[in-house]
Order: sequence, then structure tokens, then C-alpha cells
Amino acid sequence: KAGVTQTPRYLIKTRGQQVTLSCSPISGHRSVSWYQQTPGQGLQFLFEYFSETQRNKGNFPGRFSGRQFSNSRSEMNVSTLELGDSALYLCASSIGTEANYGYTFGSGTRLTVV
Amino acid sequence: GQQLNQSPQSMFIQEGEDVSMNCTSSSIFNTWLWYKQDPGEGPVLLIALYKAGELTSNGRLTAQFGITRKDSFLNISASIPSDVGIYFCAGQGSNFGNEKLTFGTGTRLTIIP
Repeated sequence: KAGVTQTPRYLIKTRGQQVTLSCSPISGHRSVSWYQQTPGQGLQFLFEYFSETQRNKGNFPGRFSGRQFSNSRSEMNVSTLELGDSALYLCASSIGTEANYGYTFGSGTRLTVV
Repeated sequence: GQQLNQSPQSMFIQEGEDVSMNCTSSSIFNTWLWYKQDPGEGPVLLIALYKAGELTSNGRLTAQFGITRKDSFLNISASIPSDVGIYFCAGQGSNFGNEKLTFGTGTRLTIIP
């Protein structure tokens, strides 16, 4: 079965612009989590959605937002991009919201802000 | 954000050597997961642990859930070139799905020719 699909794989934006990243979870998975990965900070949790509802949110500014659609696909949006937003953005899907269901990661979207 | 303490940060070993890495937390976890990430890819789940004291193997990999529920270790025996990558531990404290998964800072494994 298809894995977690993230699009686009690579993106270059300029400061001040906004960006939308997409994540299609494994079929049947209803939970989607988003993480930001940078060399200095590791994997930082952004938010988690389950059945179109945000279940958890990390410590990121309001410029970072997300949503989940009825087919479980999720998008995250970053407005007013800053240089420090350059990172690998990963999404992970799971059947439910507990770790013992297992989280499967996509290959990520590499965002570069110039 | 909150992170687990993972050590060592990096390891340089020769092919065939055994590897050991661990994670510690100030909080109790009910689930420990170990992931491996190759360059340019997302992390891939290696082993999942659900009970204190549990010892689980997956081929040459063995991981244990610490008795105190605040630590876990991962061992790799007889390392091979494809073991190169970054290894992450991750923990979740709640059984009810209302806590996020917290990741360790990663251990970068390099095999010296």
C-alpha cells in the first residue's frame, strides 16, 4: 500500500512569502502529525490532527497553521516566512493518536527561505 | 520544545563492531520508539516498546524499555555499511493519545572504512 506522500519535495521561497505544504496519509490512517527538522533543533513537533480536529499543538508562532480534510489529507501553512523557517518539514500518519499504533513518516518537504 | 536526552550525539565505528546508544527522560513514558533516518528521507520505525522492562529484537537490533520508564537503549550488533544514518528515540507519555510524541536529539552513526 502507498506510504505517506508529501508534496512538494523541495521548495524555495523568499522572506515574507507564505507557503502551503501537503501531506497525504496512508489509506485508513486518520491521524497526521507535522514536525520541523533542523540540524540545530532536531525534530520539533508542530501539530497533530485527527478526524479534522487539531489534537495537539507545539510551541510554534501563529504563523504556522494547519488543517485536515475529511479524506484525512493535511496541509500546513507558514505565513510571512523568515530565514529561520528553512527546514525539512515532515509529516507522519497513524491509525490513531497513540504511539502504539505506529507513526509512519513521509520523505519530507525541504523548504529553503532566501 | 521538550526533547529527550540521547547519547552519544555521534559515533564513528568500524564495520563489524557493535553499537549502543541510549535515551533518558525526566518524564515517564508509556511507549518508546526507535527510528532511523537516511539522508533526504523521513525517519523509519525500527522497534517499538510498550512495557517497562521489555526487551525486543529486530534482526541485529535490540532495544529495551527501562524499568524506571524514563530510559531506553538500542543496540546494533555486527554493524554493516547500511546501518549508517541518524537514529532517533521517541517517547509518548499517555496511553490516551492526548500527548505528542517527543523525539530525542539523534545519534549520527558513521562507519569508518
